Amino acid sequence: NAGVTQTPKFRVLKTGQSMTLLCAQDMNHEYMYWYRQDPGMGLRLIHYSVGEGTTAKGEVPDGYNVSRLKKQNFLLGLESAAPSQTSVYFCAVMGPNTGELFFGEGSRLTVL
Amino acid sequence: QQQVKQSPQSLIVQKGGISIINCAYENTAFDYFPWYQQFPGKGPALLIAIRPDVSEKKEGRFTISFNKSAKQFSLHIMDSQPGDSATYFCAARRAGGGADGLTFGKGTHLIIQP
Repeated sequence: NAGVTQTPKFRVLKTGQSMTLLCAQDMNHEYMYWYRQDPGMGLRLIHYSVGEGTTAKGEVPDGYNVSRLKKQNFLLGLESAAPSQTSVYFCAVMGPNTGELFFGEGSRLTVL
Repeated sequence: QQQVKQSPQSLIVQKGGISIINCAYENTAFDYFPWYQQFPGKGPALLIAIRPDVSEKKEGRFTISFNKSAKQFSLHIMDSQPGDSATYFCAARRAGGGADGLTFGKGTHLIIQP
């Protein structure tokens, strides 16, 4: 979806390293989300934000931190990566009226 | 806890056949039930959605059937085509605006054989 851009698209980390995933939207919507997708597990919510300066925990928040300093950006950080965090991460933005989620194309993270 | 249960995990259908994917939910406070379609290497995209005040919604070859009393909903793909091969997720949103996002099922990997 051209409205939601994730960087980087691929990353390989060693255990204990840190990194930040960036999600940028040009849709001017308030609600933003980080999900992780693992085989057979579906999409699980990590953290979300209902507006600039606000964040909240989702279903699987442990080991992750987030920040929403600007309305258009939502950052997902891993302070000390673990192999269990190997996954595909998706950022999503919710349309204000329909409740539709618009997803980015994903960021594939491998932790060795 | 898994609030939305999806089955089957994988499904193979012949071209022209009907593909059926089922979901069941536990939380009666859900008020919006979408289906998402995901192709390899891409993010999920909304396919079709329904609200609990109707029992069926049809868009082209895709139909959602909704049974509020049974807390179940299903996706039917009529005249399935190879281009429909993808992973499908059902989801549900809590009433009240759903600021905490959607709760997804675990997904169904659908293969349409030519």
